[in-house]
Amino acid sequence: EAGVAQSPRYKIIEKRQSVAFWCNPISGHATLYWYQQILGQGPKLLIQFQNNGVVDDSQLPKDRFSAERLKGVDSTLKIQPAKLEDSAVYLCASSAITRTGELFFGEGSRLTVL
Amino acid sequence: DQQVKQNSPSLSVQEGRISILNCDYTNSMFDYFLWYKKYPAEGPTFLISISSIKDKNEDGRFTVFLNKSAKHLSLHIVPSQPGDSAVYFCAARRYNQGGKLIFGQGTELSVKP
Repeated sequence: EAGVAQSPRYKIIEKRQSVAFWCNPISGHATLYWYQQILGQGPKLLIQFQNNGVVDDSQLPKDRFSAERLKGVDSTLKIQPAKLEDSAVYLCASSAITRTGELFFGEGSRLTVL
Repeated sequence: DQQVKQNSPSLSVQEGRISILNCDYTNSMFDYFLWYKKYPAEGPTFLISISSIKDKNEDGRFTVFLNKSAKHLSLHIVPSQPGDSAVYFCAARRYNQGGKLIFGQGTELSVKP
């Protein structure tokens, strides 16, 4: 079974530029999450989708971050304009409906903002 | 508001000995607790979980203990192996919150041969 796919793995941009990350979840997983992990911290939820609807985007900085999951499968996360503090690993995860509720993570997209 | 806390950023253990990683939480509405393991340049991978109605769950060398009255859980690894060297994250799920996980800051475990 293929895992969660993310691209690009690494991205370096200058502040005020824009960047987009792509995620393809595990086949059949209805729920998709984007997490931000800053160095030395735990992953922090940015947005959660159930199929193509947003369940929780309370921690998403909506003045610069946007995300979509138009057909209920893959998703994109965009940052425009980027700030220095956006340097982080952006992790995509997906889950099926299970009792224990574990999330399956991709390898992440590391963003460096100069 | 840090609802899940791992107060030890790092832990060093000798191969073959026990590793104990600790986690504290503040929200009594959490119904499941999970541990994830993360190697450099990889995403976190699920390790073991425990329901809030249990006090212990065991899977091979890994055991998680939950003390609800103290709002504390711990992960025991016995015996520790060099391949266990990684960052371990404690995570919690709140009932009826759509399945999202809230993570602690992580503890970096180093197992010395």
